[in-house]
Amino acid sequence: DTGVSQNPRHKITKRGQNVTFRCDPISEHNRLYWYRQTLGQGPEFLTYFQNEAQLEKSRLLSDRFSAERPKGSFSTLEIQRTEQGDSAMYLCASSPGQGGWETQYFGPGTRLLVL
Amino acid sequence: AQKITQTQPGMFVQEKEAVTLDCTYDTSDQSYGLFWYKQPSSGEMIFLIYQGSYDEQNATEGRYSLNFQKARKSANLVISASQLGDSAMYFCAMSLIQGAQKLVFGQGTRLTINP
Repeated sequence: DTGVSQNPRHKITKRGQNVTFRCDPISEHNRLYWYRQTLGQGPEFLTYFQNEAQLEKSRLLSDRFSAERPKGSFSTLEIQRTEQGDSAMYLCASSPGQGGWETQYFGPGTRLLVL
Repeated sequence: AQKITQTQPGMFVQEKEAVTLDCTYDTSDQSYGLFWYKQPSSGEMIFLIYQGSYDEQNATEGRYSLNFQKARKSANLVISASQLGDSAMYFCAMSLIQGAQKLVFGQGTRLTINP
């Protein structure tokens, strides 16, 4: 059973460019989460999918951010017109979605640096 | 709203000693889960241990145990017989059972194991 994978692992971009990250959850996990972690802080929730439905979004997710999970499997997170404040680690996590308490399993993250 | 507080920015421990990492939480909900994650320098969040708010016994997973004191709203992580590989950031987190079960994290504690 492979774990959560994320690509790319690192991304350097210039301010104003668009970037897209991909997350592949653990096979058959219905729930998928995106978090953002800035230096010296704990991760903060961005958004959550149950299958292909995006059911919750944080206020941190400005209109420059969009996330999709078109077939209920992999997910993409796009940031348009990047700003230096978007520099962070973007973490993806998944859980089974079978009900009851569930542990979220995280991927290795994508480190974004906006110059 | 839920809040997690970790008051120890850094801890230094000799190899083979036990170490306790502090975590207090705040919520008005009765049904919640408490989690500990380890984050090595590589960035991946590794799940360590979970405690439900209705669990009467403290959770244990190998060398990890969770000292759950509900009245004091604390969920301290105890690592027995520390090893050099335990050096990492440690995050306490909580979630509510309803809805997204999104995790709310503390700021973390950096643990350094000295040989």
